[in-house]
Amino acid sequence: AQSVTQLDSQVPVFEEAPVELRCNYSSSVSVYLFWYVQYPNQGLQLLLKYLSGSTLVKGINGFEAEFNKSQTSFHLRKPSVHISDTAEYFCAVSRTGGSYIPTFGRGTSLIVHP
Amino acid sequence: EAGVAQSPRYKIIEKRQSVAFWCNPISGHATLYWYQQILGQGPKLLIQFQNNGVVDDSQLPKDRFSAERLKGVDSTLKIQPAKLEDSAVYLCASSLDFNAYGYTFGSGTRLTVV
Repeated sequence: AQSVTQLDSQVPVFEEAPVELRCNYSSSVSVYLFWYVQYPNQGLQLLLKYLSGSTLVKGINGFEAEFNKSQTSFHLRKPSVHISDTAEYFCAVSRTGGSYIPTFGRGTSLIVHP
Repeated sequence: EAGVAQSPRYKIIEKRQSVAFWCNPISGHATLYWYQQILGQGPKLLIQFQNNGVVDDSQLPKDRFSAERLKGVDSTLKIQPAKLEDSAVYLCASSLDFNAYGYTFGSGTRLTVV
């Protein structure tokens, strides 16, 4: 089975500052990795995914994440955040074979202050 | 492309009452999922359909939860009788097929059991 740990439940940051949201996973098999964003009162939206190839993955809205197999991490970064980035961010992992149903972390609340 | 539609958006019921949620996936999406998202946690898969057949319902509390997807399109999720701990957001998601990476989520139904 796979599991995901999002190390920070809440990350406050000022507008235009860089941000990193941390995600570590545990799995005995090869995995795919995802980041989703959830704006208030909305469903989850896929930000980016790592399936294979380059370990640096670029997603929507200027976000990127780096897959580090040795550290079993998939941290999400953005060089300069906007007020509109305030949302809940979920890291998810799924195994590479069979059904790709992801296991989600508990989420990190990104709060961008003006 | 229309998104995943869910209704109602909000529902408040008393414990021991019954409730039903409806989901209309994106046209052509064969796979449909119901997730439960308790406040402060990541989404947890309840059931997965492939067309009108159940693929995985291992985490569905079958003594009180039921779901169906007649004709392989719309789906309903029912809780009968509801308990206080069922208070959560119920998210529906769909994907093109069984092996798709990343889903499209609906906005969810927020259930409050009092």
